[in-house]
Amino acid sequence: EAQVTQNPRYLITVTGKKLTVTCSQNMNHEYMSWYRQDPGLGLRQIYYSMNVEVTDKGDVPEGYKVSRKEKRNFPLILESPSPNQTSLYFCASSQYRDNQPQHFGDGTRLSIL
Amino acid sequence: AQSVAQPEDQVNVAEGNPLTVKCTYSVSGNPYLFWYVQYPNRGLQFLLKYITGDNLVKGSYGFEAEFNKSQTSFHLKKPSALVSDSALYFCAVRDMGGGSYIPTFGRGTSLIVHP
Repeated sequence: EAQVTQNPRYLITVTGKKLTVTCSQNMNHEYMSWYRQDPGLGLRQIYYSMNVEVTDKGDVPEGYKVSRKEKRNFPLILESPSPNQTSLYFCASSQYRDNQPQHFGDGTRLSIL
Repeated sequence: AQSVAQPEDQVNVAEGNPLTVKCTYSVSGNPYLFWYVQYPNRGLQFLLKYITGDNLVKGSYGFEAEFNKSQTSFHLKKPSALVSDSALYFCAVRDMGGGSYIPTFGRGTSLIVHP
């Protein structure tokens, strides 16, 4: 089954404790991205990657890091999480053509205390 | 630059009635337009897209959308709403001529279908 898998689905942690949210896709997609979803703000892109070892900032990259060492994986790293990063996070992937829809994971709800 | 607006935070409709969820966009070139649906505790799911050609696009679950270039709109429609259509709907745009591969999403419209 074609899918984007995120882990964990839920996480409660404390300020400053490094965390990683993993994302994996099994569709051989070149393009992957991370979004955060906040009430009233919709989806905002954090980082995206056009292919292995190629990443770039989206609209709200501050406080986040990503890496793309393998085509299927695109982890999101919060080196020193803060309460304003409490949000619902989505990973997405698509073929590298701009008329193709994205496939989304089921989301990771992060609470930073 | 590209942008998209969903002017209604919430749309209420009775089951069996037609529904419309509005979306307008702004691009410098021609648009690629998408609609996605989000059910509770799930990620976004693709519904339909407009690339070129026929202005009326048909998608999943009986939904369709009408591309109107003069009004820069891409409203989502369904002839007869179901309670199970209740969800959050997102419109997204990519500018063919803008050089950006990054899509822009609207803020979302919550559709509530009453029994």
